[in-house]
Amino acid sequence: ETGVTQTPRHLVMGMTNKKSLKCEQHLGHNAMYWYKQSAKKPLELMFVYSLEERVENNSVPSRFSPECPNSSHLFLHLHTLQPEDSALYLCASSRSSGGYNEQFFGPGTRLTVL
Amino acid sequence: QKEVEQNSGPLSVPEGAIASLNCTYSDRGSQSFFWYRQYSGKSPELIMSIYSNGDKEDGRFTAQLNKASQYVSLLIRDSQPSDSATYLCAVILNSGGYQKVTFGIGTKLQVIP
Repeated sequence: ETGVTQTPRHLVMGMTNKKSLKCEQHLGHNAMYWYKQSAKKPLELMFVYSLEERVENNSVPSRFSPECPNSSHLFLHLHTLQPEDSALYLCASSRSSGGYNEQFFGPGTRLTVL
Repeated sequence: QKEVEQNSGPLSVPEGAIASLNCTYSDRGSQSFFWYRQYSGKSPELIMSIYSNGDKEDGRFTAQLNKASQYVSLLIRDSQPSDSATYLCAVILNSGGYQKVTFGIGTKLQVIP
């Protein structure tokens, strides 16, 4: 596989469920990002990891919990979500978190919370 | 005031025409600027980056940056129906050793055959 992959591509969950989104990058990058994309809203940066260390948490509710076990993998653990959390969740990676590095996006996970 | 402003459109242009997409930003410390294209149901893909004032051309695409006016634009020459997509403006500020990336809402472009 090449680039940035995300699984699952679609997820439907109830408000009491616990699920995890997975992102994997095959580009040798050191920084990874989670974004949320809702209809009629700009892409919102949620979390930034640089060399497996979280460097930014953009005021995201605690029902979203990120995990970065190594520079190639990023998870977003979900629990007790709300219907307004339904959105496209995009993972991205870049060579580093500083400088002017292009971010490469994965295909996204379309999440629906019932 | 929104940090990155774009007209959401849709912007309709006939095939072969020039499409002009505009973006303004509020933080004067912003240092680099990207244009991403996002097809419906797909993830964003980078098409242009620009870091200094002036024009930057790549094929049919030209990015223009005016830091004094806090304005960045993307021109698409000889527009094709395959250019129909949403174009996202992204503004980068280096903050605390990492990129703070702020996206605009995106402008939907429709190229009419």
